[in-house]
Amino acid sequence: GAVVSQHPSRVICKSGTSVKIECRSLDFQATTMFWYRQFPKQSLMLMATSNEGSKATYEQGVEKDKFLINHASLTLSTLTVTSAHPEDSSFYICSAGGLYTDTQYFGPGTRLTVL
Amino acid sequence: AQKITQTQPGMFVQEKEAVTLDCTYDTSDPSYGLFWYKQPSSGEMIFLIYQGSYDQQNATEGRYSLNFQKARKSANLVISASQLGDSAMYFCAIKRGGGNKLTFGTGTQLKVEL
Repeated sequence: GAVVSQHPSRVICKSGTSVKIECRSLDFQATTMFWYRQFPKQSLMLMATSNEGSKATYEQGVEKDKFLINHASLTLSTLTVTSAHPEDSSFYICSAGGLYTDTQYFGPGTRLTVL
Repeated sequence: AQKITQTQPGMFVQEKEAVTLDCTYDTSDPSYGLFWYKQPSSGEMIFLIYQGSYDQQNATEGRYSLNFQKARKSANLVISASQLGDSAMYFCAIKRGGGNKLTFGTGTQLKVEL
């Protein structure tokens, strides 16, 4: 399967700071990337869908100004959690899909802890 | 709207035995795809197997096979010859044909015992 990397794998930050998470598709061109959030022992909740070169589409209830998504190239998407608060602490995981595949390939995830 | 139901929050299986993880779905779309992913404790989501709604044959990938019963709207995952490394959370997901969003079930925690 395709390889998707995510960085950092773990981040601890102070309340009020911003955190940027990178998602890279290493061996294929990802026309679409997805960002999910997962709370402990729960399923993945889609936050937003981003297509290369265009604005992200956010799911209902997800604050666009808080979770900034950029998909500037076919191999890189970033999620910035702005003015992070303890309730933003979660596992964030990205996935990438190509133009000719139905399958989404996931990154290893980023565990964010906001103190 | 699409929905995935996984009714088994936890399952136990002995090493080398086969195990079936249940998944039922609800969709009004005539074309859709069904996926199974494995999530070990480390967190990454590992793609296991895919079944298209129009595929005539059940999908197989090594020790994984998908028991697709379209009329019953079920897409159960069968893992043969279980190994200790199969212990993980397993998620079933559905994607509308032509769309790109996945809808996940609540997952089944599988534990393989000696």
